[in-house]
Amino acid sequence: QKEVEQDPGPLSVPEGAIVSLNCTYSNSAFQYFMWYRQYSRKGPELLMYTYSSGNKEDGRFTAQVDKSSKYISLFIRDSQPSDSATYLCAINVGAAGNKLTFGGGTRVLVKP
Amino acid sequence: DTGVSQDPRHKITKRGQNVTFRCDPISEHNRLYWYRQTLGQGPEFLTYFQNEAQLEKSRLLSDRFSAERPKGSFSTLEIQRTEQGDSAMYLCASSLDSEGGHTGELFFGEGSRLTVL
Repeated sequence: QKEVEQDPGPLSVPEGAIVSLNCTYSNSAFQYFMWYRQYSRKGPELLMYTYSSGNKEDGRFTAQVDKSSKYISLFIRDSQPSDSATYLCAINVGAAGNKLTFGGGTRVLVKP
Repeated sequence: DTGVSQDPRHKITKRGQNVTFRCDPISEHNRLYWYRQTLGQGPEFLTYFQNEAQLEKSRLLSDRFSAERPKGSFSTLEIQRTEQGDSAMYLCASSLDSEGGHTGELFFGEGSRLTVL
C-alpha cells in the first residue's frame, strides 16, 4: 500500500463547476499537507499548505484536512480552463528536511 | 529569471551511456532536492542536500546514481550505465529552511527529461 493514495482521474468538468480532489494517507505521523499544481511538461508549483485539521481558503481554492480520517481534500470553485492541470497532494512528516511524499496526481480538465 | 534552473531539459541517450544533469537552485536557498517522476506518477524523493552535505538518500538511488553539491550552490545528478528503466523526468527543487523550521514549500525547476533508448 502506498503511503499516499490519490485517484488518477482524469476528471473532466465544465467551466464554472466545482472541482473536488482528495487524497488518503496511511502514516499518522504526517503533519504538513500540501497541494501542488503541475502543468504539462512543467515542474510542480505549490498551491496550498495546511498544518492542522480544518479548512483553509485562498481565493477560489479551499484545502481541507481531516487527520482523524487521514483524508485531505482540495476544492476549486468557479473552475476555469486555465485550471486544467495535474494536482498533486504532498505530505511531510515535519521532521528535519522537507522530504515530501507525493500522491500519484489527479489530472483535471476544465472544458470551456 | 530567479527560479530553479535545470539543464539539459531533455536528454536522449543509449542504454549503457552515462548522463549528468545540473540544477541551479534559488540563490539563497540552503536545501536542494532531487526527485524522479515517471509518466502518470507523482514525484518520488531521491536525495537532498543541506548546503553541501548530502543528508538523505532514498533506496531508489542505486549505486549507479550519484549526486553532488560541491560548494553548496548548484548540484549535479549523474547516472552511470543508464538503463531503459531510468527514463523519467528528474526534478530538482530548493527551499530555504532555518533550524527547526520548515514550510513544506519546495520550489521546483521544470525538470530534465531522460529518454534511454
